[in-house]
Amino acid sequence: QQQVKQSPQSLIVQKGGISIINCAYENTAFDYFPWYQQFPGKGPALLIAIRPDVSEKEEGRFTISFNKSAKQFSLHIMDSQPGDSATYFCAASGTTGANNLFFGTGTRLTVIP
Amino acid sequence: GAVVSQHPSWVICKSGTSVKIECRSLDFQATTMFWYRQFPKQSLMLMATSNEGSKATYEQGVEKDKFLINHASLTLSTLTVTSAHPEDSSFYICSATKGQRTDTQYFGPGTRLTVL
Repeated sequence: QQQVKQSPQSLIVQKGGISIINCAYENTAFDYFPWYQQFPGKGPALLIAIRPDVSEKEEGRFTISFNKSAKQFSLHIMDSQPGDSATYFCAASGTTGANNLFFGTGTRLTVIP
Repeated sequence: GAVVSQHPSWVICKSGTSVKIECRSLDFQATTMFWYRQFPKQSLMLMATSNEGSKATYEQGVEKDKFLINHASLTLSTLTVTSAHPEDSSFYICSATKGQRTDTQYFGPGTRLTVL
């Protein structure tokens, strides 16, 4: 059972455009929602993360929007650049148990010049 | 910072041999380390969680005797793939956490294992 559902599977955006990736979860115990960026042959790198006490968090060109009632969160990449081309994973974890991260299936983003 | 390294970055071995992969937290003491497996164009699959000095907790379906995990210190965890076979070929990634909360995981660069 996929704990975190991610869409789209792939995304092509023009340089300068906005890239939007969406994720949804069911477990209301989740209280930490990070986004990871992964380049081919490399490990994931933490990009930005949010907790449910805020509805939005911005760091540079990257913004997370969080909708607690809908159990959805999304990543917006403003002014997308070719260097942003990578696979993006959303994830979620809770405060109980081992705090394991549950990953989405990933979105392959391609930003074309 | 929170830097995690892995060694080797890639390894090719013959079927039936064992391979050891090291995961180190370079600038912090890791309370917990995780081992993941990733197939091409797929998401990360958690294999096991380990704490220093304790036995690793394996996820359902992961063979403990196949994938041996040793967490010898707060900065080093090792994954040994025993009697490797071609189906074990994959990208193995470790992560580490610091402090009490284990949700912020810092990932290593991964190790590409190819079993011939």
